[in-house]
Amino acid sequence: GENVEQHPSTLSVQEGDSAVIKCTYSDSASNYFPWYKQELGKRPQLIIDIRSNVGEKKDQRIAVTLNKTAKHFSLHITETQPEDSAVYFCAASNTGGFKTIFGAGTRLFVKA
Amino acid sequence: GAVVSQHPSRVICKSGTSVKIECRSLDFQATTMFWYRQFPKQSLMLMATSNEGSKATYEQGVEKDKFLINHASLTLSTLTVTSAHPEDSSFYICSASRDLELEAFFGQGTRLTVV
Repeated sequence: GENVEQHPSTLSVQEGDSAVIKCTYSDSASNYFPWYKQELGKRPQLIIDIRSNVGEKKDQRIAVTLNKTAKHFSLHITETQPEDSAVYFCAASNTGGFKTIFGAGTRLFVKA
Repeated sequence: GAVVSQHPSRVICKSGTSVKIECRSLDFQATTMFWYRQFPKQSLMLMATSNEGSKATYEQGVEKDKFLINHASLTLSTLTVTSAHPEDSSFYICSASRDLELEAFFGQGTRLTVV
């Protein structure tokens, strides 16, 4: 079945440094790759997404890259701030079934 | 963005009883909604796809007779946890997408505690 792997599970960075989270997916039909930020006890919030016809997308301090051939996609957060501390999930879905499969999550700690 | 409302946000029930959780799309119609379960410090695990007017599609390993899903209208899906046990205690969260769009909008989640 569909599977999304996410690394690392925990990431600790100093404020101002960059953070990179990587994911791989198994279903070649996947064509939509959202990233979510989830704070404790709250719903996931979409922070950025990328579609399969695009290789890179940037929104201020956040960027996402996609390599369809290798089935890899990554989240890059630059100039990290303490409020970036949260759990980040990558996900993959497709226009066929629309269901979203999530990675295991990365707990990001940004130290002031 | 679109709004998805989930109710209740917290519920405590006794073992053996049933609990119903509602998921509503407030400002759009959703022919498909999804139900997830999330254990502490773990990812969101897809339980089932709820289809308006038809039977839900359950993921492997999810008991359809235990987790009853009803999608009676284009704005409401319900998840009923039947004969609840302490191991059913978890965070349940729904999502919905506007038709032909990929972005999923999440409800605020329901923390179920079975005692």
